[in-house]
Amino acid sequence: DAMVIQNPRYQVTQFGKPVTLSCSQTLNHNVMYWYQQKSSQAPKLLFHYYDKDFNNEADTPDNFQSRRPNTSFCFLDIRSPGLGDAAMYLCATSRAGGKNQPQHFGDGTRLSIL
Amino acid sequence: DQQVKQNSPSLSVQEGRISILNCDYTNSMFDYFLWYKKYPAEGPTFLISISSIKDKNEDGRFTVFLNKSAKHLSLHIVPSQPGDSAVYFCAARFSNQGGKLIFGQGTELSVKP
Repeated sequence: DAMVIQNPRYQVTQFGKPVTLSCSQTLNHNVMYWYQQKSSQAPKLLFHYYDKDFNNEADTPDNFQSRRPNTSFCFLDIRSPGLGDAAMYLCATSRAGGKNQPQHFGDGTRLSIL
Repeated sequence: DQQVKQNSPSLSVQEGRISILNCDYTNSMFDYFLWYKKYPAEGPTFLISISSIKDKNEDGRFTVFLNKSAKHLSLHIVPSQPGDSAVYFCAARFSNQGGKLIFGQGTELSVKP
């Protein structure tokens, strides 16, 4: 089955220690998104890639970076995690150019900060 | 400023009855609306959507209604089943921002046997 896969499902890191979350997709979608979701809140878009074009949300902290080496993979790098960065991180993909295409989500990575 | 709001954090319904989940939005630039369903420890799963040019879309037990003048949409589930118990997120897409979605906070639906 075509899908969006996030690894790891659970990640624990220390305060200030860089961490990388990964996302891969077999849907061959050209758009990939990263969302942050804190407990009982709405998922919040951090940034997205339209093909190789990176689009950062205005309120995404500089601490958060992303890389997309190819169509299938996208990474979220948190350079110096703070306690406030503990959250669920969701990756999603969609096919741009179609009439109305939903985003397809992975199961998320839950990040804890010690 | 929350542009998409789901004012009911939870809803409890008896099996076989109708579930109605509500969502309000503020921005008239939204052109496409979606409902996602989320089980614990899983990512959101796309359920049903509606374009801003329509007022109703139906898929099996699920129907989404859009009232543009009131900036309100609702999801109807008939009949409700225990397996429908999950968190439901409403999302809205901007017409000119590369597919960006704004999500509501979610409503937790519990369908009791």
